[in-house]
Amino acid sequence: SQTIHQWPATLVQPVGSPLSLECTVEGTSNPNLYWYRQAAGRGLQLLFYSVGIGQISSEVPQNLSASRPQDRQFILSSKKLLLSDSGFYLCAWRPGLSNYGYTFGSGTRLTVV
Amino acid sequence: AQSVTQLGSHLSVSEGALVLLRCNYSSSVPPYLFWYVQYPNQGLQLLLKYTTGATLVKGINGFEAEFKKSETSFHLTKPSAHMSDAAEYFCAVSDRTGRRALTFGSGTRLQVQP
Repeated sequence: SQTIHQWPATLVQPVGSPLSLECTVEGTSNPNLYWYRQAAGRGLQLLFYSVGIGQISSEVPQNLSASRPQDRQFILSSKKLLLSDSGFYLCAWRPGLSNYGYTFGSGTRLTVV
Repeated sequence: AQSVTQLGSHLSVSEGALVLLRCNYSSSVPPYLFWYVQYPNQGLQLLLKYTTGATLVKGINGFEAEFKKSETSFHLTKPSAHMSDAAEYFCAVSDRTGRRALTFGSGTRLQVQP
């Protein structure tokens, strides 16, 4: 069966520090991968999505970047964190078929101090 | 372009009462529709989805939703609320090509009072 792993679960980072969040999927190949962010009291904001290795689409210009170095690995990064980067980050995947919903990871709670 | 509107950011019901969470969508082509539930500090879990076929869709935990094309709606219902239903609920829409990400509504937080 397919599983998605996201880590770390919580992270407290100072302003100006780098960030690396990792997401991996097991039990499938060539998944579509997504990064979302939830700010406090707000809905889900799509940050990046990828339909294949090295293929990244950015939905919102900001302080973050994403990479997909392997088929089932999706990394969210920042060179210098801002206070506004705080939030709950969710990774998700689905097969390359449109009638499937997402399967979400358990999320990373990032607090920038 | 697609969009999703969830009426009401908060809903409070009594235990045993009907739960009705409203979702309206906008799409230029027939969409696929989803409902997700999120418990505090957790990822989202798929409740149910509509793709094709029967317009009344049954999901997990006793929830169901009905796709009404004429009303562009996909409201989520449960006949009798349970305390464990307290969570945030998100409606989402997808195009049929699979090339675009899901578009989510802003969510409705459900409280269940004893």
